[in-house]
Amino acid sequence: AQTVTQSQPEMSVQEAETVTLSCTYDTSESNYYLFWYKQPPSRQMILVIRQEAYKQQNATENRFSVNFQKAAKSFSLKISDSQLGDTAMYFCAFRAIYNFNKFYFGSGTKLNVKP
Amino acid sequence: DAGVTQSPTHLIKTRGQQVTLRCSPKSGHDTVSWYQQALGQGPQFIFQYYEEEERQRGNFPDRFSGHQFPNYSSELNVNALLLGDSALYLCASSAGARYGYTFGSGTRLTVV
Repeated sequence: AQTVTQSQPEMSVQEAETVTLSCTYDTSESNYYLFWYKQPPSRQMILVIRQEAYKQQNATENRFSVNFQKAAKSFSLKISDSQLGDTAMYFCAFRAIYNFNKFYFGSGTKLNVKP
Repeated sequence: DAGVTQSPTHLIKTRGQQVTLRCSPKSGHDTVSWYQQALGQGPQFIFQYYEEEERQRGNFPDRFSGHQFPNYSSELNVNALLLGDSALYLCASSAGARYGYTFGSGTRLTVV
């Protein structure tokens, strides 16, 4: 079974500063995807960034980047130049490549960006 | 291009009643998954439909059932509602299970 753990229930950051959200996971799968999703008050899950486990290079999407440590089963999200619109719940998620039917989500981190 | 559409957005039901939630997938998507998100938790996989059949099921009782129609839209049915069924129910669609998923904004179900 797969588990995803987010140990930071809530975090705050000043506008324009950098913040890192932590995520660890446990799996016996060798090939999988890891994701960070954002859930604003509108409730829709929005994909922030995706990492393929077989790629050593960390994924980057504009102000968002990850630190993927496969041996440690760690997958943190760094948000640079934080903006007020980044305020939301952030969920770390896992999906196996060969059992691709479902996501396993962590319990989420509430990020507050302060002006 | 419409994304995933879910209806209704909110509803309140009484314990013991039955409820049907609806999902229209994004245009071009043929696979629909349902998730339950309890307050303060991450979403939990309920089941997935493809070609009008349930392909995989999570750890949910038989009170939770679903259906997929020829136009790929889907319904989630919950019978004998319990207070613990109160949650946000999310639908996600994809063009085949191995590709990217698009989530809807969910249906907030409150059981009283």
